[in-house]
Amino acid sequence: QSALSQPASVSGSPGQSITISCTGTSSDVGGFNYVSWYQQHPGKAPKLIIYNVSNRPSGVSDRFSGSKSGNTASLTLSGLQAEDEADYYCCSYSSSTTFYVFGSGTKVTVL
Amino acid sequence: EVQVLESGGGLVQPGGSLKLSCAASGFTFTSYAMNWVRQAPGKGLQWVSTITATDDSTYYADSVKGRFIISRDNSKNTLYLQMNSLRVEDTAVYYCAKALRGATQGCDSWGQGTLVTVST
Repeated sequence: QSALSQPASVSGSPGQSITISCTGTSSDVGGFNYVSWYQQHPGKAPKLIIYNVSNRPSGVSDRFSGSKSGNTASLTLSGLQAEDEADYYCCSYSSSTTFYVFGSGTKVTVL
Repeated sequence: EVQVLESGGGLVQPGGSLKLSCAASGFTFTSYAMNWVRQAPGKGLQWVSTITATDDSTYYADSVKGRFIISRDNSKNTLYLQMNSLRVEDTAVYYCAKALRGATQGCDSWGQGTLVTVST
């Protein structure tokens, strides 16, 4: 059960936009619109920020947006703020022997 | 307010057993699938297990299949994870997470986690 592939780190200056990719296969990311994204600050529990590829839960900033093309999903953070510095994980339903598979995680640094 | 609160973590020797609990409140427990997700020290998130709401179907990561058992007591609004034959590599913070309305859509509420340490 290999993890979905994410870049280890992404950085940007305040106000800029950054995009985090999440690459899987046709058995997970590419096969279903069940990609979710989580933000995790150090020592804290993960927080859902995107579900079903592009939907934002109530209360989540519209600076976060999600999309998908083929086997790759993407999370875009617009108007980067200091508080966005955290780890970000994608997750997808998988039709293989598992149920969910997480991405390897991306550390976002605000310069 | 939706809340899930884990308990039961601790130090256990390799080969030992431990049972985690997750007390849920603020939502209709019987209507939602529930999940366990773990995070080894300094590592990423790893899905462990899911139990559905409708028929109590269970799913496990290959790394824990045959050793861990997920269950739920709807009368107590509580989720469990029975962990047997524990290994050093099972050391992690274990999170309880409530699923969205669809069991496959992701997890919208997470507990603060309980630390399980497997060591001699």
